Amino acid sequence: GAGVSQSPSNKVTEKGKDVELRCDPISGHTALYWYRQSLGQGLEFLIYFQGNSAPDKSGLPSDRFSAERTGGSVSTLTIQRTQQEDSAVYLCASSLTRAEQYFGPGTRLTVT
Amino acid sequence: RKEVEQDPGPFNVPEGATVAFNCTYSNSASQSFFWYRQDCRKEPKLLMSVYSSGNEDGRFTAQLNRASQYISLLIRDSKLSDSATYLCVVNPGGYNKLIFGAGTRLAVHP
Repeated sequence: GAGVSQSPSNKVTEKGKDVELRCDPISGHTALYWYRQSLGQGLEFLIYFQGNSAPDKSGLPSDRFSAERTGGSVSTLTIQRTQQEDSAVYLCASSLTRAEQYFGPGTRLTVT
Repeated sequence: RKEVEQDPGPFNVPEGATVAFNCTYSNSASQSFFWYRQDCRKEPKLLMSVYSSGNEDGRFTAQLNRASQYISLLIRDSKLSDSATYLCVVNPGGYNKLIFGAGTRLAVHP
């Protein structure tokens, strides 16, 4: 079946612009996660959704970052007034069970 | 101190070699443990879960020592296709938030 999909796959934006990243989880997966991976770094947790609510958004780096999920499915991560340090690969994962998370291919964001 | 620490490598080994990766975690209350594999410019994929009694999946063996807060992965008879970054991953408990180590890079050469 279809896996987790993310769009766009690559995004180049100018410093100060807003960007929106999209994640389509595996159908029926109630949990959805956003992570960020900077060059040479491990994955950094950003936010977790259970259904449409976000019980843990502790990993969002600043108030320029926000995320929402609608219909218990698609999620968007929005970064306002992008900065160069926001450049990274943004990965989305979904899960049904408590243990195994399935990752999407990521969105590579470059802020110039 | 990082929550999950790994030797970054790289480990350069010939085909057929046995290689071991180590990982330590700081939260003694952590509940579940995993090894993920990440190929260059690809998403991470679950390699195997790690159980207290140790577990094996073909050429791969994972061990957990809760007292030492230490996790290991052993790869026997390395293949060229094993070349990747291996991520040590810990679930600190509660729901399903995962904490990732920075990864250990493995390069298997002919």
